[in-house]
Amino acid sequence: DVKVTQSSRYLVKRTGEKVFLECVQDMDHENMFWYRQDPGLGLRLIYFSYDVKMKEKGDIPEGYSVSREKKERFSLILESASTNQTSMYLCASRGTSLTGELFFGEGSRLTVL
Amino acid sequence: AQRVTQPEKLLSVFKGAPVELKCNYSYSGSPELFWYVQYSRQRLQLLLRHISRESIKGFTADLNKGETSFHLKKPFAQEEDSAMYYCALSYNQGGKLIFGQGTELSVKP
Repeated sequence: DVKVTQSSRYLVKRTGEKVFLECVQDMDHENMFWYRQDPGLGLRLIYFSYDVKMKEKGDIPEGYSVSREKKERFSLILESASTNQTSMYLCASRGTSLTGELFFGEGSRLTVL
Repeated sequence: AQRVTQPEKLLSVFKGAPVELKCNYSYSGSPELFWYVQYSRQRLQLLLRHISRESIKGFTADLNKGETSFHLKKPFAQEEDSAMYYCALSYNQGGKLIFGQGTELSVKP
């Protein structure tokens, strides 16, 4: 059974704190993604990585950074959390085929107070 | 720029009625299109992809390049179809995948 695992299901942080969201996949996928899911806005791509140490900005990268030191792990970092970053964060992975399925984690719900 | 638009936030139908969830895309190349679904308290999962030309759970979707659309259809909706549906576009550069705003389908008994 393929798996994308996000380390935290629920987090509550204070404004200005540094936040790490971790994601691990066990499918040996080259591509990994971080999306933000908000009602009425759908899924918006924050960053994606197509190889170890390689990354590309998505549509809403401001206020976020990422790290991919190993193929199976992709981390999302909020350097200084703000209230407008309260959201559901989804990690996903897929292989190199353009028609390949995207596999999602269960999501991390972040609340910034 | 590449874009996926789902014009309806909410679609409410009665059981047994036909359903059509609209999706329009903007992409100058040859698109790869998908529908993903999220049932209550479950993770997002693939429903179908246009290249497969398959019917999944009674749903079909046809790519219309002239109208740049990929609408999802089902002739007879069931209550268990109630979920959030997202249309997605995959394009070059490592398989980047972008999504529309989502449509919530509610099937009433």
